[in-house]
Amino acid sequence: GQNIDQPTEMTATEGAIVQINCTYQTSGFNGLFWYQQHAGEAPTFLSYNVLDGLEEKGRFSSFLSRSKGYSYLLLKELQMKDSASYLCAVSGAGSYQLTFGKGTKLSVIP
Amino acid sequence: GAVVSQHPSRVICKSGTSVKIECRSLDFQATTMFWYRQFPKKSLMLMATSNEGSKATYEQGVEKDKFLINHASLTLSTLTVTSAHPEDSSFYICSAGTRGTGLYNEQFFGPGTRLTVL
Repeated sequence: GQNIDQPTEMTATEGAIVQINCTYQTSGFNGLFWYQQHAGEAPTFLSYNVLDGLEEKGRFSSFLSRSKGYSYLLLKELQMKDSASYLCAVSGAGSYQLTFGKGTKLSVIP
Repeated sequence: GAVVSQHPSRVICKSGTSVKIECRSLDFQATTMFWYRQFPKKSLMLMATSNEGSKATYEQGVEKDKFLINHASLTLSTLTVTSAHPEDSSFYICSAGTRGTGLYNEQFFGPGTRLTVL
């Protein structure tokens, strides 16, 4: 099975940097996804990590350590529109299936 | 990019009635579609995995006779909530999987269907 942990809520200031952590214990691992979800909407893809290291994409970066079962999503130059839930999801070996964490609700304040 | 649509986006029904939700991949063929349910302030919970032309695989605790899934073509899957009750009120989201050109198999999400059972 899969067990995925991430903080429930975080608050950060506009213009700042925030790091959202995710730890996982899995019976099989193919990769880790981060999604952004605004209230009442479907998740939108942010990033995918399968190899150890940092993947940078504009203001968002994602890091993975497979040996530690750990990932983080880094958001820079925070904007008010970044207020959303951020979901960490793990893909099992050889499968499309995703197991989602409970999500981290990020509130960006002025 | 790949687009997945869901219909209806919002539905209100009486207790005991059945509701059908459609999920379509608009510009690609999806060999696999997934159905999720999300309660307020909770994460997405996978209900079932649907492969075109075969029976859906349900997650533990999901009643297959209550949540009927049909995946008749590579672009359409339907979820029917039979004899809906207020506790079935939730946000239902589908996603479609396709083999990506990169390192991973991509999954694209529909916009979701808000079901309210009175």
